[in-house]
Amino acid sequence: DIVMTQSPDSLAVSLGERATINCKSSQSVLYSSNNENYLAWYQQKPGQPPKLLIYWASTRESGVPDRFSGSGSGTDFTLTISRLQAEDVAVYYCQQSYSTITFGQGTRLEIK
Amino acid sequence: EVQLVESGGGLVQPGGSLRLSCAASGLTFSNYAMNWVRQAPGKGLEWVSTISGSGGSRYYADSVKGRFTGSRDNSKNTLYLQMSSLRAEDTAVYYCAKEGSSRHMDVWGKGTTVTVSS
Repeated sequence: DIVMTQSPDSLAVSLGERATINCKSSQSVLYSSNNENYLAWYQQKPGQPPKLLIYWASTRESGVPDRFSGSGSGTDFTLTISRLQAEDVAVYYCQQSYSTITFGQGTRLEIK
Repeated sequence: EVQLVESGGGLVQPGGSLRLSCAASGLTFSNYAMNWVRQAPGKGLEWVSTISGSGGSRYYADSVKGRFTGSRDNSKNTLYLQMSSLRAEDTAVYYCAKEGSSRHMDVWGKGTTVTVSS
């Protein structure tokens, strides 16, 4: 199985500042036939199910604020929250679907 | 609006069985593959199973293979997970999730809690 490793495990960012979460896969998740990365990002707030933010590494799901963006290709990916708001406090997960689905271990985002 | 509602969770003894259901609405259910994902208390997300739209293709995590069986009834817009030989490590919130175009999960239910304990 492809192992997804997120960094850091937790981070604290001031309101209005940028938050960056990294995700590295143990092998490429770029599908050559369509040149798409099978990488998604989810946000999970306490007591709630996960919510899809980004798929295909950089495509924002409908209704997701544009302060959330995804980048990267192959094995290295980044989720960026450009101007942190209080409601962004959550755990964030990356997930690959190139092969048997696996998730990263999660990154806990808090307000500094 | 697409909605997914899980049910069937509860307390079960080790070695016991349980069947989870996920009722879907607001979509043409048979058009979409569906997933089960679980989350142990205080832990991260673990994919459990994927079932194709027709139900003809089924995939399982190694941790549940041979013990869990996924199925669906497209006439009832319902997804199922039959769990047997349950272990303490199966204790988790179980979510059903609709699959999107890149096998991401774009709609999630609120989950149902399974506790395996004597």
